[in-house]
Amino acid sequence: ILNVEQSPQSLHVQEGDSTNFTCSFPSSNFYALHWYRWETAKSPEALFVMTLNGDEKKKGRISATLNTKEGYSYLYIKGSQPEDSATYLCARGASKIIFGSGTRLSIRP
Amino acid sequence: GAGVSQSPRYKVAKRGQDVALRCDPISGHVSLFWYQQALGQGPEFLTYFQNEAQLDKSGLPSDRFFAERPEGSVSTLKIQRTQQEDSAVYLCASSFSGGYSNQPQHFGDGTRLSIL
Repeated sequence: ILNVEQSPQSLHVQEGDSTNFTCSFPSSNFYALHWYRWETAKSPEALFVMTLNGDEKKKGRISATLNTKEGYSYLYIKGSQPEDSATYLCARGASKIIFGSGTRLSIRP
Repeated sequence: GAGVSQSPRYKVAKRGQDVALRCDPISGHVSLFWYQQALGQGPEFLTYFQNEAQLDKSGLPSDRFFAERPEGSVSTLKIQRTQQEDSAVYLCASSFSGGYSNQPQHFGDGTRLSIL
């Protein structure tokens, strides 16, 4: 993998369901993996910065895991709510960070 | 406010005109970043400052793009002789630490630039 890739591109989930999506990245010369949430008409909001293989981070109903050896990270949302509707971006790097194209999440009431 | 502030929010310019986009980072933040975001894509890195020093400008797409941060706080991204392909959202971000750091970047709301 040469670039940061996110899947799926978009996702529609029923309110109350849990969901997850994937970020894949080059595993060589890894420094840090970032997750951001970007709501329409707002600025991207930092969720997590992860640096250690096996790291798991949690913020309310949202959690993330990191595997630097195989080059992937998962973001999990438990019990989706309408306010979770946003584009979720992951990015790899330190000062110069390379973003994926994002996963667009829509929660159906 | 306490966040990153960008102005203008929207800018419409005719092809060939010069534009200047401003970014006010969070006070005390050492690092400042500019990104270009095309529709349906993630932000693409343009350039990075640590204080007033421009340490990486590898993402600037052409010599028509120029960024400065003369006093280590406010930054301006200038685009000369704009082209239609310059139409995008331009995001600015700042972070507390410089260099290789695991600090998150704090983003502004962006400037949406449309070139007619």
